[in-house]
Amino acid sequence: EVVLTQSPATLSASPGERVTLSCRASQNLNSNLAWYQQKPGQAPRPLIYDASTRATGTPPRFSGSGSGTEFTLTVSSLHSEDFAIYFCQQNNTWPWTFGQGTKVEIK
Amino acid sequence: EVQLVESGGGLVQPGGSLRLSCAASGFTFSNSWMHWVRQTPGKGLVWVSHITSDGRSATYADSVKDRFTVSRDNAKNMLYLQMNSLRAEDTALYYCARPHRGLYNSGWYDYWGQGTLVTVSS
Repeated sequence: EVVLTQSPATLSASPGERVTLSCRASQNLNSNLAWYQQKPGQAPRPLIYDASTRATGTPPRFSGSGSGTEFTLTVSSLHSEDFAIYFCQQNNTWPWTFGQGTKVEIK
Repeated sequence: EVQLVESGGGLVQPGGSLRLSCAASGFTFSNSWMHWVRQTPGKGLVWVSHITSDGRSATYADSVKDRFTVSRDNAKNMLYLQMNSLRAEDTALYYCARPHRGLYNSGWYDYWGQGTLVTVSS
């Protein structure tokens, strides 16, 4: 089973800041990685798939990059609605697995 | 508008059973593979099971194999998860989720339900 390690666990930032979240895989995923955003009491919402393609409705301030075992999600300028938990998910190998999440909180 | 609405969660004793349901609307359910994913504070998001669009085949995580059974009724646009021999570690929020466009290997989930909470405790 592929293990995804996200870092940091918690990130404190201010509105307007640029932040970068990391997701590291235990084996090569090629570009088969997605990112989700989850807010309290809500289901995860897809942001990015195939490592760098924005899902429908994802604002352009969100961008994904990486391949192989190292991936990043960047938010170019944090908006108030972006404070949430972010998960990565791999689909290169069954079973699909998720990272433990990075919480982006207000500084 | 695509909607997935889970129900059936609740409190059950260890060793007990529960059946979760997921009502789907807004898309051609009979053409779509469907998944169950659960979430806990400790283990995060974990894939549980998926079922083919015609319901003829299903796959399970090792942790639930031989205890959980996924099924569907395409005439009613319903997805089910029968959970038997429940354990404390099955306590979680259970989501039904659609892989992108309902495709087998699309790789990511484009729609999720709001989840139904299962608590296994004496």
